[in-house]
Amino acid sequence: AQSVTQPDIHITVSEGASLELRCNYSYGATPYLFWYVQSPGQGLQLLLKYFSGDTLVQGIKGFEAEFKRSQSSFNLRKPSVHWSDAAEYFCAVVPMNYGGSQGNLIFGKGTKLSVKP
Amino acid sequence: NAGVTQTPKFRVLKTGQSMTLLCAQDMNHEYMYWYRQDPGMGLRLIHYSVGEGTTAKGEVPDGYNVSRLKKQNFLLGLESAAPSQTSVYFCASSALGGLNTGELFFGEGSRLTVL
Repeated sequence: AQSVTQPDIHITVSEGASLELRCNYSYGATPYLFWYVQSPGQGLQLLLKYFSGDTLVQGIKGFEAEFKRSQSSFNLRKPSVHWSDAAEYFCAVVPMNYGGSQGNLIFGKGTKLSVKP
Repeated sequence: NAGVTQTPKFRVLKTGQSMTLLCAQDMNHEYMYWYRQDPGMGLRLIHYSVGEGTTAKGEVPDGYNVSRLKKQNFLLGLESAAPSQTSVYFCASSALGGLNTGELFFGEGSRLTVL
């Protein structure tokens, strides 16, 4: 079955430490890939996206993500985490063979990030 | 900069009651969506609209109805609320153009509790 998997439900890192959030997908062809962030009590905001080309994409707030076709992964990274990064992060995909309208994203279940002082 | 506005932000209903959630966007977006978010489930698409006067079913449409009479508004209705519909509801919109850009703009959510 087609799916988006975020293996880590909750991650805690110290402020200033590096961060990597994992995302794996299972689709026949490479989907379009996205990371969204949701701060407490807020809606979701797009961090970055990958359609094609350079497999390392830069996003807002100092985040980046790397697409690895061989691993069907699109992991999110940040070199140095700030306390304000505490939020929930969602990986999402648009399957390439999906014939519907744009924006029919399929979301992973999310990873909650806590930041220790 | 209003963006996407949802009303109401909080609501408590009794089983069997009806209600409507209103979503309004001021970005002239063609596409609008209603999602529900439940703990450990991520976001699941309820219904969506690709333009004024059109609606389509998403992943979890049962128990909900929608209408898009005006381009800027997308209404989500619950005709007979059930406790299983207790959730946080998010409206989103996106612009037409480009191939699956995936950039949705979200409202701040509406928390609905059904007793």
